[in-house]
Amino acid sequence: AQKVTQAQTEISVVEKEDVTLDCVYETRDTTYYLFWYKQPPSGELVFLIRRNSFDEQNEISGRYSWNFQKSTSSFNFTITASQVVDSAVYFCALSGTFYGGATNKLIFGTGTLLAVQP
Amino acid sequence: EAQVTQNPRYLITVTGKKLTVTCSQNMNHEYMSWYRQDPGLGLRQIYYSMNVEVTDKGDVPEGYKVSRKEKRNFPLILESPSPNQTSLYFCASRSGSGGSTEAFFGQGTRLTVV
Repeated sequence: AQKVTQAQTEISVVEKEDVTLDCVYETRDTTYYLFWYKQPPSGELVFLIRRNSFDEQNEISGRYSWNFQKSTSSFNFTITASQVVDSAVYFCALSGTFYGGATNKLIFGTGTLLAVQP
Repeated sequence: EAQVTQNPRYLITVTGKKLTVTCSQNMNHEYMSWYRQDPGLGLRQIYYSMNVEVTDKGDVPEGYKVSRKEKRNFPLILESPSPNQTSLYFCASRSGSGGSTEAFFGQGTRLTVV
């Protein structure tokens, strides 16, 4: 089965704090892709990052960084020095190749609502 | 500009009144999907299409229909809407196959069935 778990339903931080959003996945595919999407209060889904299963290098983009660890099936997302504009729901998603490839489906976690207080 | 356009953005309707949510993409993508987003459940795939005239059920297809007569358009049809179809709907398109590419999402359609 393919599954994505985001155990943190809601997180509240004060501006400038660092925050990590957890994502744990399950898949039988050996080749798969992981994604993070941001959903601001306006409701649209904004693509943040894609990572394939063969690339375990951490990635940094400005205040955002991602830690992919195959050994623990995790793909965590850290925001450094959080800002009010980071307030949103964040979704982690998985896309398989063999088991999920035909449907081209993204398997989403349930999302984490991040509230950054000024 | 690459985009997926859904209409309408907001819709309130009554039980049993047929409705269509339109979706159009300008990126020449083969794959298109419909998802619904519900609190505590994330997004779940309703239907998908691999190309023109090729569609199939996703995880939650009951009560929905789709068609893909042109590559760019993928409308979602609710023949007889019920209150349990009140949800936020997203259309998405992706290029290629094998799950490697990012999905582009429409702005979402918030549907309320009373």
